[in-house]
Amino acid sequence: QQQVKQSPQSLIVQKGGISIINCAYENTAFDYFPWYQQFPGKGPALLIAIRPDVSEKKEGRFTISFNKSAKQFSLHIMDSQPGDSATYFCAASKRSTDKLIFGTGTRLQVFP
Amino acid sequence: GAGVSQSPRYKVAKRGQDVALRCDPISGHVSLFWYQQALGQGPEFLTYFQNEAQLDKSGLPSDRFFAERPEGSVSTLKIQRTQQEDSAVYLCASSLGDRDGYTFGSGTRLTVV
Repeated sequence: QQQVKQSPQSLIVQKGGISIINCAYENTAFDYFPWYQQFPGKGPALLIAIRPDVSEKKEGRFTISFNKSAKQFSLHIMDSQPGDSATYFCAASKRSTDKLIFGTGTRLQVFP
Repeated sequence: GAGVSQSPRYKVAKRGQDVALRCDPISGHVSLFWYQQALGQGPEFLTYFQNEAQLDKSGLPSDRFFAERPEGSVSTLKIQRTQQEDSAVYLCASSLGDRDGYTFGSGTRLTVV
């Protein structure tokens, strides 16, 4: 049972373009939704996270949009750069436990 | 150290061999997690410690998997009688207890041949 579904599986974007990755969840008990960035040979690193009391959070070029009624959230990367090329994972967790449920990942390639 | 340290970085095991993977969390981090990441997939939760107490082991795939953190610092994930399906990257993460403070190590890549 996949509790967090992520799409697309891969994404190719031109430098300066907008990268959009989407996730949907099933468990309404989830109350924390982070996005992680992973480079080859490295562990995931927290990029940005949101809680369901807000619909949007922006940090620099990265924005999370959150739709509680649709049980969906997305990551937008503005002005995408070649250095953003990595695999991105959405995740979710609930208050009673700190364990993260990850999506299947999106491999982003940004071409100059 | 400044980050979460895992050793070895790579491990090749023959099927049926026992392996032990080590995690050195960030000093002072009370929470420690183990995740398994298969090739091309997202990490999957294995087990969670708060200090030396193992509070959740619901993700361990079989009784061949065992984790410990006897002094509330370094943790070891042991896999007995390894099988080919155990081949994956094993990630350790630690935190102060705040979900925003999760820090992952670079992982141990286990290959069972």
